[in-house]
Amino acid sequence: GAVVSQHPSWVICKSGTSVKIECRSLDFQATTMFWYRQFPKQSLMLMATSNEGSKATYEQGVEKDKFLINHASLTLSTLTVTSAHPEDSSFYICSASRDRVGSPLHFGNGTRLTVT
Amino acid sequence: AQSVTQLDSHVSVSEGTPVLLRCNYSSSYSPSLFWYVQHPNKGLQLLLKYTSAATLVKGINGFEAEFKKSETSFHLTKPSAHMSDAAEYFCVVSVGTYKYIFGTGTRLKVLA
Repeated sequence: GAVVSQHPSWVICKSGTSVKIECRSLDFQATTMFWYRQFPKQSLMLMATSNEGSKATYEQGVEKDKFLINHASLTLSTLTVTSAHPEDSSFYICSASRDRVGSPLHFGNGTRLTVT
Repeated sequence: AQSVTQLDSHVSVSEGTPVLLRCNYSSSYSPSLFWYVQHPNKGLQLLLKYTSAATLVKGINGFEAEFKKSETSFHLTKPSAHMSDAAEYFCVVSVGTYKYIFGTGTRLKVLA
């Protein structure tokens, strides 16, 4: 099946620093990838849709200057949390699907971000 | 409007007994439907998918789901629960290219 790799699986950073999370589709090309944030014991909250070669589409309420998304190739999207603060601590998950209607999403294993 | 409702936020079953996780959807289109499982601190793993072929869909780990258009349901079942099935389960509807709607999740607890 389709594989999506997300790295790192966990990261601890100091307040005010930036953190980059990578999401790679290993065996298929993904023109579109998705970034989610998940709070404890809750469902996934879509943050943004990452489009290869163009700007990401952010959901309402998500600060695009804080959560920078770059989708420079058909297999790689990155999420950079800039000037991180403790309230940004969360579980971030990426996903990708093949470019076909009805294709399932394939998820990375998530990144646990802790900002101290 | 499209929506997904997982009717139970928590389900507890004894090991070896059947599992039923309920999902209802609302869609103006002919939907594609998916069930995912999430173990703690992990991403979501695809269990099975319905994409307008057979209404009874078999997935991994002994799970299956039946698409019932008349009831707008896509319930997930397993004949015999294992301890390793304890996890969070999400029902997801795709209503177009790159448009996915998530249910709120059902936490399955398996009692020894």
